[in-house]
Amino acid sequence: NAGVTQTPKFQVLKTGQSMTLQCAQDMNHNSMYWYRQDPGMGLRLIYYSASEGTTDKGEVPNGYNVSRLNKREFSLRLESAAPSQTSVYFCASSGNSRRTGGEETQYFGPGTRLLVL
Amino acid sequence: AQSVTQLGSHVSVSEGALVLLRCNYSSSVPPYLFWYVQYPNQGLQLLLKYTSAATLVKGINGFEAEFKKSETSFHLTKPSAHMSDAAEYFCAVSKPGYSTLTFGKGTMLLVSP
Repeated sequence: NAGVTQTPKFQVLKTGQSMTLQCAQDMNHNSMYWYRQDPGMGLRLIYYSASEGTTDKGEVPNGYNVSRLNKREFSLRLESAAPSQTSVYFCASSGNSRRTGGEETQYFGPGTRLLVL
Repeated sequence: AQSVTQLGSHVSVSEGALVLLRCNYSSSVPPYLFWYVQYPNQGLQLLLKYTSAATLVKGINGFEAEFKKSETSFHLTKPSAHMSDAAEYFCAVSKPGYSTLTFGKGTMLLVSP
């Protein structure tokens, strides 16, 4: 089991460029999440997908879009990158039962470090 | 809305000393509570979680935490610190019935020889 994988590991963009961060999990989890981590801010939820076919905004969704491609894959897109989006992005997944009770462990990928110049 | 406050962005201890990392939560309903650890340049991994069973929860690597409803706290402890415990620790809260977590800002644990 690879768990949660993310690509790329590191990316440099110029302001205004677009890119898609990819995430895949092989644990048959229903729920998937995208976070950003900034120094002194902890992790903040950007978007999540409670189940295949659904997506919802988190705490900081502005400037991002997501796609739950299938049960395994959840991508994050920056349409027009800004320096404020320089961050480390983590994907996570949880829950392999039909009900999501809130007590499930979230499993994290290794992160993507994004620098926007 | 739920929130988590971690007191102290950095905590320094000597090897062999007690580790105490503080977490207080705010929630309108009895919450689920989690501690995650992040080693340098890695993702987060679960240390332990409270899901309304026993209030004293034991986790990996000798860590434990006690849920105290009256104090709205879920402090993380370890009797004797090891150099390998140096990492950033995050407390998080979720609401029963919802899969999303709200994280605290994190506490960096520094362990000196």
